[in-house]
Amino acid sequence: ETGVTQSPTHLIKTRGQQVTLRCSSQSGHNTVSWYQQALGQGPQFIFQYYREEENGRGNFPPRFSGLQFPNYSSELNVNALELDDSALYLCASSPPQGPNTGELFFGEGSRLTVL
Amino acid sequence: DQQVKQNSPSLSVQEGRISILNCDYTNSMFDYFLWYKKYPAEGPTFLISISSIKDKNEDGRFTVFLNKSAKHLSLHIVPSQPGDSAVYFCAAIKGNQFYFGTGTSLTVIP
Repeated sequence: ETGVTQSPTHLIKTRGQQVTLRCSSQSGHNTVSWYQQALGQGPQFIFQYYREEENGRGNFPPRFSGLQFPNYSSELNVNALELDDSALYLCASSPPQGPNTGELFFGEGSRLTVL
Repeated sequence: DQQVKQNSPSLSVQEGRISILNCDYTNSMFDYFLWYKKYPAEGPTFLISISSIKDKNEDGRFTVFLNKSAKHLSLHIVPSQPGDSAVYFCAAIKGNQFYFGTGTSLTVIP
């Protein structure tokens, strides 16, 4: 069983640039969520995708956007990068019965540094 | 607005003793509560959960207690082992959204 994989693992961007992060969900999982974890903080919910539609969004501005593809993989796009966007971005997938049972399966994360 | 709080950033415990990690929350509408463990350079992994209608759930060395009147959640690890050294996040679910605490770094001393 293949787990959640994310790419790239590390990247450096400058302020104002755009970034795309990618996530392959665990086999059989149709729901993907994205989280931002700043240094010393817990993961903060960005949004969730279910069957290619956004299915919930946290308190993040519209320059954070996403996609989910028919194979349930997902992208997180961030436009007009700001210094405060520097963080670990975590992708998590959950099985068809939904995340409300409590278990998310996380990838290792993509560490974004904005200079 | 931090709806889930872990007020102890770190905890050190001797091997074989009990580790108690604490978590407080503000929203009485949460459906489920969970604990995740995170090792460096890895994503968080699920440890144990409890429904809001229960007050205790046990899984091997790990027990989660829920005190709804106090809006307090705790994780007990007995006996603690060096491999338990990690950052522990408590989380709460409302609808399809997870709310995480800031984490407690547990060190189990051999």
